[in-house]
Amino acid sequence: QITLKESGPPLVKPTQTLTLTCTFSGFSLTTSGVGVGWIRQPPGKALEWLALIYWDDDKRYRPSLKSRLTITKDTSKNQVVLTMTNMDPVDTATYYCAHSEFGSGSYHFDYWGQGTLVTVSS
Amino acid sequence: QSALTQPASVSGSPGQSITISCTGTSSDVGSYNLVSWYQQHPAKAPKLIIYEGSKRPSGISNRFSGSKSGNTASLTISGLQAEDEADYYCCSFAGTSTFVVFGGGTKLTVL
Repeated sequence: QITLKESGPPLVKPTQTLTLTCTFSGFSLTTSGVGVGWIRQPPGKALEWLALIYWDDDKRYRPSLKSRLTITKDTSKNQVVLTMTNMDPVDTATYYCAHSEFGSGSYHFDYWGQGTLVTVSS
Repeated sequence: QSALTQPASVSGSPGQSITISCTGTSSDVGSYNLVSWYQQHPAKAPKLIIYEGSKRPSGISNRFSGSKSGNTASLTISGLQAEDEADYYCCSFAGTSTFVVFGGGTKLTVL
């Protein structure tokens, strides 16, 4: 059974750096083809893909946010960490992590975490 | 990185069928048979209901079906039920640069 859960601060100040952790179970990020992605959703708005990390440590970023995003993995802890620098109120959103098998040609997210709401405000 | 275009809202009565369109470009929907669809109920995480254009994950009702023509993908829900009332999002692989793009979402109301 695959599960994912996001954790991180519910409130960050403008210009600060956000660090979110995705802790997962039921799969390994050392398995060929597996990836974990981050997707966010501002209140009342659409989903927006942010980043993805593959089993082989290859990484992909949303082009418009690439300079602010870093995705890393810790396979020993079954965790993926996303950092976003220079936070702004427009970054207020629910942040989701999700499992995929992009590396196997399956470009969809089949298991999602429950999401964590991050508010950016002074 | 433009989002895929979906109608903001659609509605239908119980038992009817509805179709939600998802229009992209020749760089995403038109180039790959890699459109996925997600159902999202209020305050819940998205749930995969269609992948690779027309495939259903295990446990998803066959009332949900997907198709594609040119740069437009479609999700059809037949035999509408009250529990189908939710937001629906399409998503497509968009090549190695843009990578992934989501649609703007469609709110389905079951009358």
